[in-house]
Amino acid sequence: DAGITQSPRHKVTETGTPVTLRCHQTENHRYMYWYRQDPGHGLRLIHYSYGVKDTDKGEVSDGYSVSRSKTEDFLLTLESATSSQTSVYFCAIGNRDGYSPLHFGNGTRLTVT
Amino acid sequence: AQSVTQLDSHVSVSEGTPVLLRCNYSSSYSPSLFWYVQHPNKGLQLLLKYTSAATLVKGINGFEAEFKKSETSFHLTKPSAHMSDAAEYFCVVSQTGANNLFFGTGTRLTVIP
Repeated sequence: DAGITQSPRHKVTETGTPVTLRCHQTENHRYMYWYRQDPGHGLRLIHYSYGVKDTDKGEVSDGYSVSRSKTEDFLLTLESATSSQTSVYFCAIGNRDGYSPLHFGNGTRLTVT
Repeated sequence: AQSVTQLDSHVSVSEGTPVLLRCNYSSSYSPSLFWYVQHPNKGLQLLLKYTSAATLVKGINGFEAEFKKSETSFHLTKPSAHMSDAAEYFCVVSQTGANNLFFGTGTRLTVIP
């Protein structure tokens, strides 16, 4: 899977608790992305990073924050998880050129009870 | 503005028969188009991509897609379905310099033995 590892693969948490998902890459890509996948919506961009400490919002960023202190790691944090954040989260790496495909991790299934 | 419409949420075919998964796109500029496949509990894998070269694009596992600008379509086909083709398929549009890909809502392909 193009050297992308997501952890954990599954997580069950309670409403109101903080949750951090990790994405680790070994490909030295500058751009990293967090998507969520929900039935009937395809994948939607949460946040992306274009370098160490450089991040920006996607279309569904409310309730999420990200950090990137090293090229290889991109963290997604839910400061106070809600049931609407129950989803499958995918990390992706790639280029910003618009014609190169992204490479995806295997996903993290998050359930907020 | 960019968007993708996958015209069928679910397609069912018999093994050995042709597969057609339909995708229409909207893009203000010359788009790049991709098809990804997702097997259960897996990440997304690139099947094929169109980036303004040949309009008939061949991908992995015998799949191909034809870019038709006049119809704003990028339908995915395969001459003969195999059981291992059962999965969810996503049509995706992007453009040069974009920070994001735009995903269709997916088509679930069922292959009947």
